[in-house]
Amino acid sequence: ETGVTQTPRHLVMGMTNKKSLKCEQHLGHNAMYWYKQSAKKPLELMFVYNFKEQTENNSVPSRFSPECPNSSHLFLHLHTLQPEDSALYLCASSQDFRNNYGYTFGSGTRLTVV
Amino acid sequence: QQPVQSPQAVILREGEDAVINCSSSKALYSVHWYRQKHGEAPVFLMILLKGGEQKGHEKISASFNEKKQQSSLYLTASQLSYSGTYFCGTEEWDTPLVFGKGTRLSVIA
Repeated sequence: ETGVTQTPRHLVMGMTNKKSLKCEQHLGHNAMYWYKQSAKKPLELMFVYNFKEQTENNSVPSRFSPECPNSSHLFLHLHTLQPEDSALYLCASSQDFRNNYGYTFGSGTRLTVV
Repeated sequence: QQPVQSPQAVILREGEDAVINCSSSKALYSVHWYRQKHGEAPVFLMILLKGGEQKGHEKISASFNEKKQQSSLYLTASQLSYSGTYFCGTEEWDTPLVFGKGTRLSVIA
């Protein structure tokens, strides 16, 4: 365990389903991030939250909806996804947005859209 | 702006050395290095801040050439445990971390 916990580890969903990914950290970090990792592609930044405020939305389609109720929890709500959205979704946290201590990543949720 | 990493892949025998490069066309605030093993989370190795510093972590060290906006990761006397994909991530002053495509390192006995 890295200190950042993601659930579920694996998820298979149909294109008409609605599901949510959960990320939790108790490291005392104030910034949290969602990244998408596809095969043969770099880690793509999706959303950034700093002190619970969304500071970055990297042109992500509206079928992905983030929620950050407090500094320890981050959700990614999914609806009407496409097969090309199948990927590993990684959550990360850092002490704050401009930090010198690196990011701590969770183990990810492997999402398959059928 | 996504940094460019090279090489894309490298195979080493135990005890050999390797260098992984990362470059950006933007003025950088910092460079991060991470290692990801198959099926696991990326793990933070080190961060280098503007100022051209150099850092070490066991037998893994890195440098940051601020003038060229380039960073290099040096792996010396490689061990089997070094196998994985190495990512550099770069930060400009007002942007979050953006990652390169990664370098797949395989260390064989």
